[in-house]
Amino acid sequence: GAGVSQSPSNKVTEKGKDVELRCDPISGHTALYWYRQSLGQGLEFLIYFQGNSAPDKSGLPSDRFSAERTGGSVSTLTIQRTQQEDSAVYLCASSLRDRSYGYTFGSGTRLTVV
Amino acid sequence: DAKTTQPPSMDCAEGRAANLPCNHSTISGNEYVYWYRQIHSQGPQYIIHGLKNNETNEMASLIITEDRKSSTLILPHATLRDTAVYYCIVRVAMWDMRFGAGTRLTVKP
Repeated sequence: GAGVSQSPSNKVTEKGKDVELRCDPISGHTALYWYRQSLGQGLEFLIYFQGNSAPDKSGLPSDRFSAERTGGSVSTLTIQRTQQEDSAVYLCASSLRDRSYGYTFGSGTRLTVV
Repeated sequence: DAKTTQPPSMDCAEGRAANLPCNHSTISGNEYVYWYRQIHSQGPQYIIHGLKNNETNEMASLIITEDRKSSTLILPHATLRDTAVYYCIVRVAMWDMRFGAGTRLTVKP
C-alpha cells in the first residue's frame, strides 16, 4: 500500500487478556519499528526489525511483550496478560535500510486496558 | 548519544514564517539531523533531514550551522494546520530514533 497500515485503530481489552497489534509496512521497506506513546508523553522505542537480521528487542518493557515479523513484511506486536499501564498508542514505522532516510509512521493503535 | 534541546512551546501568526530552533552541541560528524512533527492524534510525520548543507523541500527548509551544533526548521508561510509538536532528532544509531519532548507550535489566526 501507499502507507504504513496498522490495525485495529482502537482496542479496548480487559486487564489480564492478551492482545495482538498488526503493522503492514510500506512495500519494499526492509526496516520496521514499534514505538509506544503514553498520553501526553513522547515516543518510547520498543523493537526494531531489519531484513532477516535478529530483531533488536532492547526497548521491550517486559517479557509480556513480544513481536514477530513474518516474511520480512507484516509484523505483529503481542502483549500478554495486559495491565493498565500498557494503555497507550502503539505506533509502527518503516523505512528503507539507509539511515539517511526518514521513517514513515502508521496512524497507530490506541490500546485501552480496563 | 547526541541529545537535542528545543523550546517547549512557540507561537506563530498565520501566514508568517515559523522558525523552530534546535541545539545539538554533541552531534557526531556522521549523524543526521531529522525533523518530524506530530499533529494531535496522528502518528509522527517526517518533514526533512540534513547532514551538513541546508535543505529545502515542499514542506520546509532546514538550516544547519557550520559547526553543526544547532539547526533551525523554517516553515515559510505557517497555516493553522501546521499546529503540532515538532521534534528535532539526531539519529544516534541506524535503528534508534529517540524522540524528545519537542516544541509545541501553535499557529494563531
